[in-house]
Amino acid sequence: GESVGLHLPTLSVQEGDNSIINCAYSNSASDYFIWYKQESGKGPQFIIDIRSNMDKRQGQRVTVLLNKTVKHLSLQIAATQPGDSAVYFCAGRYGGATNKLIFGTGTLLAVQP
Amino acid sequence: SAVISQKPSRDICQRGTSLTIQCQVDSQVTMMFWYRQQPGQSLTLIATANQGSEATYESGFVIDKFPISRPNLTFSTLTVSNMSPEDSSIYLCSVGGATNEKLFFGSGTQLSVL
Repeated sequence: GESVGLHLPTLSVQEGDNSIINCAYSNSASDYFIWYKQESGKGPQFIIDIRSNMDKRQGQRVTVLLNKTVKHLSLQIAATQPGDSAVYFCAGRYGGATNKLIFGTGTLLAVQP
Repeated sequence: SAVISQKPSRDICQRGTSLTIQCQVDSQVTMMFWYRQQPGQSLTLIATANQGSEATYESGFVIDKFPISRPNLTFSTLTVSNMSPEDSSIYLCSVGGATNEKLFFGSGTQLSVL
């Protein structure tokens, strides 16, 4: 079946440093990817998305990079803050307009003061 | 972005009983999705609920166990039937954004089955 998985289950960074969370996917037909942030006791919160015809997209303090050659996706968070501590999920869309998302296993980002 | 309200936010249930989870959206949406998130795990799609038709279930999920209603374009329910401790999870409702791409999630229902 399809899979979208993360390399590191836990990432610990110092406040102010940059964070990089990685994700691999298996289906080259996936046309759209999303990163979500989930804080304890809450539902996933949309961070940033990218279409497969792009290789980079920037938001506020976040950048998503897509390397279709190696089927790799990453989320970069600049100047990581304590409020960034959460579980981060990547998700890939399969099936075009049906919006069916396959989620990765998640990475826990722990920001040390 | 859509505002999604889920009820209840959490519940503790006895084995063999059923729980119905409600999802209310502040705007009309074509598709609504129900996800399960088992403890410490990622999200798994249970089914897609379209108004006016039967829900479409993913592999491993069946209507008898997870009946879904979608009476209108702003509301859906998911029932977890004949519960066992293995059903203890967070159940999440989600909808697509205006471009039908960004999925927005409710805050989830934390279910514990004893």
